[in-house]
This record gives sequence, structure tokens and C-alpha cells, in this order.
Amino acid sequence: AQSVSQHNHHVILSEAASLELGCNYSYGGTVNLFWYVQYPGQHLQLLLKYFSGDPLVKGIKGFEAEFIKSKFSFNLRKPSVQWSDTAEYFCAVNLYSGNTPLVFGKGTRLSVIA
Amino acid sequence: GAVVSQHPSRVICKSGTSVKIECRSLDFQATTMFWYRQFPKQSLMLMATSNEGSKATYEQGVEKDKFLINHASLTLSTLTVTSAHPEDSSFYICSARDPNMGTDTQYFGPGTRLTVL
Repeated sequence: AQSVSQHNHHVILSEAASLELGCNYSYGGTVNLFWYVQYPGQHLQLLLKYFSGDPLVKGIKGFEAEFIKSKFSFNLRKPSVQWSDTAEYFCAVNLYSGNTPLVFGKGTRLSVIA
Repeated sequence: GAVVSQHPSRVICKSGTSVKIECRSLDFQATTMFWYRQFPKQSLMLMATSNEGSKATYEQGVEKDKFLINHASLTLSTLTVTSAHPEDSSFYICSARDPNMGTDTQYFGPGTRLTVL
């Protein structure tokens, strides 16, 4: 069965620091990869997604993620975080065949302090 | 982007009663909707896949007689928690796939927090 691992449970950064959140998945087939963000009190929002093509994908709010197939990884990055980036970040995977549910990682809580 | 709504956003009920949660896709038709459950400080766990006009597909360990899913139209799926107990208290989230947005882009509802006393 598919599984998604997010290595960091809680990350605390100062404003302007660089961010990298790890995500690894276990599935040998072709997958779609997603990062979702959940701001306090709000619903899940899609940050970015990878289906095919350029393994470096850019999302909203300055976030990007790189798909490294050999490492089964899809790490999320941002060069300079802001206080408003404080949120819960979820990595998710589903099968490339489409119309399949997402399997989520446990999430990483990011706290950005001034 | 596409919008998915859920109603109610919060519900408190007595043990033994049933609660219905609605999930609507507001500006697109969704042939498939997914229901997830999120425990405090944990990730989303898929409960079932709801297909318009057919029976839902439940994940292992999810009781289909307890969590009734109906997907009667292309914009509405309902989850009914029957004979709710305190252990059913959780955050229930639905998502809908917009088929016009390419391979499996899903949009999430804001969630429904259920508290069973």
C-alpha cells in the first residue's frame, strides 16, 4: 500500500529563513504528488502539484518542490519564509491512473517567528 | 479556483443520534467525491470514495452501515453518521475532483467538526 512520510513534525523558523520540508513516498508505480497547506482555522489549499514533465514545480506564494524519482522524494522549499506562512503542510500522493484518492503524510507544522 | 462547501461547519449531538453532513461542489460537477477524517494533530485518513449514481467504496476498517454515503447528484454528496458515539467525534472533510482541471486535481471543503456528547 502507498504511504507518505513527512520527516518533520514541527519546524520553527525565523522570518527570512529558508525552508525545506521533507516528503518521501513508498510506491513503485507512477504517481501524482501534491503539497497542501492548512492555515489555522481554514481548509486545505493546494500549494503545488506534480504530474509529469519538469521535476521542479513552482506553486503559489513562492513555494516550489522538486521531484526526485530515484529518492522517492518530493521536498517542499521556500527561500525566505514569512510570518504568514505559519500553517500545517501536508504532502500527498495518488496513483497516476487518475480519479484515485489521496494518501496524506502526517503533516508538518511550520511556525514562523518574527 | 473551484469551491467545495460543507454544511454544517460544526455540530454537537447526543450519543445515539444520527448526523448528516453535506458536501457540495459549487461551480463544477464532481462525479467523484472523497470523504476523509482528521483526528487532532494527525493527518487526513480516507474513509470512502463516493461515486455519483453508484455505491460508495469504503476503506478497510470503515463501517459502511455506520457511515452512510449518498452521492445523489453531480454536485452533492452526503455523509450520515448513524447512532453516533463519542469516539466518532472528529473533523470530517470532503474533497471533490474537478474533471476539467486535468489529472486528479482535488478541492477540499472546509470541514465539519462533529462532537458527540
